[in-house]
Amino acid sequence: EVQLVESGGGLVQPGRSLRLSCEGSGFILKDNAMHWVRQAPGKGLEWVSGISWNSDRIQYADSVQGRFTISRDDAKNSLYLQMNSLRVEDTALYYCVSDIIGYSFGSGFDRWGQGSLVTVSS
Amino acid sequence: SYELTQPLSVSVAPGQTARVPCGGDNIKAKNVHWYQQKPGQAPVLVLYRHSNRPYGIPERFSGSNSGNTATLTISRVQLGDEAEYYCQVWDSRTAGLFGPGTKVTVL
Repeated sequence: EVQLVESGGGLVQPGRSLRLSCEGSGFILKDNAMHWVRQAPGKGLEWVSGISWNSDRIQYADSVQGRFTISRDDAKNSLYLQMNSLRVEDTALYYCVSDIIGYSFGSGFDRWGQGSLVTVSS
Repeated sequence: SYELTQPLSVSVAPGQTARVPCGGDNIKAKNVHWYQQKPGQAPVLVLYRHSNRPYGIPERFSGSNSGNTATLTISRVQLGDEAEYYCQVWDSRTAGLFGPGTKVTVL
């Protein structure tokens, strides 16, 4: 079964850091643009960040610019999100997703993980 | 900053047609994608680039985009179509902006 599996979430105090990981299972991340999308409890979807298949294009939502860093390691078939200076409002379920057209950044997210919950609270 | 608008809810009887609008300034010039999310589940892409259906999505799902409104149309609505539907636009300025979502209720 083709899956994206997130890990690394948890409870963290405001101002601290956390690193999310996403590994492909039966799915090769190489040659695919990848993104992180989050959903706060009971709220809608928010795109967080994306990285093109060859890492030459990286974008962030204004809400996380300067605090979060997206990266990928195709040798490990993995995607990462380094989250620094976390705020209460960053509390959400974080999904790892891939573009339906691998080489086309932002073509639509057809593969979703089950999410990793990040809770920022003192 | 660019904003998307969606009605909070749309109600439809089984077998009828549901139309979910997504409003945005000159949205016709942008790539629009649509997602379906059922409670407790990850979203599912139902249309990409206005009107393209991913593999496995029924032909009952279709899309249009003109002027300032993109529309997801669900024909012959079934009970299983009850869900939250999100539009998403993508261009160099908006990046991956999602709309606020519309709850489609099948009466």
